[in-house]
Amino acid sequence: DTGVSQDPRHKITKRGQNVTFRCDPISEHNRLYWYRQTLGQGPEFLTYFQNEAQLEKSRLLSDRFSAERPKGSFSTLEIQRTEQGDSAMYLCASSLVAVISGDYGYTFGSGTRLTVV
Amino acid sequence: DQQVKQNSPSLSVQEGRISILNCDYTNSMFDYFLWYKKYPAEGPTFLISISSIKDKNEDGRFTVFLNKSAKHLSLHIVPSQPGDSAVYFCAASIAGATNKLIFGTGTLLAVQP
Repeated sequence: DTGVSQDPRHKITKRGQNVTFRCDPISEHNRLYWYRQTLGQGPEFLTYFQNEAQLEKSRLLSDRFSAERPKGSFSTLEIQRTEQGDSAMYLCASSLVAVISGDYGYTFGSGTRLTVV
Repeated sequence: DQQVKQNSPSLSVQEGRISILNCDYTNSMFDYFLWYKKYPAEGPTFLISISSIKDKNEDGRFTVFLNKSAKHLSLHIVPSQPGDSAVYFCAASIAGATNKLIFGTGTLLAVQP
């Protein structure tokens, strides 16, 4: 297992187009997170899945954004009618349920850099 | 509303010396704190964490100190090495079902040979 994989690494799209990103977490990890990072900022939480259930969504996730995790394995993040403000690095992370041990150290993927022109 | 703040955008240190990165937070409900390191074109990598019931956690060259009364934590790297040059993010979490992290804006550490 080589870690969390994200595809594509880079995406340039015209304003108004739809884009979809994919994340393949570490296989035994049942928790999956999406974050967004803009220039000069830290990653910001977007949404969280435990297995296939989407349990929390940030208010940053407007109705143009949708995320899925069918069968509790890979996840997709779709942005419809992209806007220039959507340009950012989209990061996926996964972890085991480990609240008791206190290990909150997610494993992040390398991210998908989206540029909307 | 920036709940986790890293007020130093950058820090430059000589190789072999100590690097001290600082982080302040405002939410007293945070009970777990983490440091991540990020190289360009890569995702953040987990470095070290500390629970709010502790005031120090050490892992090799890395030590994190937590001062709850001041709502302040710091990461010490001793000795600093050129390979430590990266952006360091402080993050905090509230125990619960989600374990989502609130990140600071990061500090760019440059370790000069």
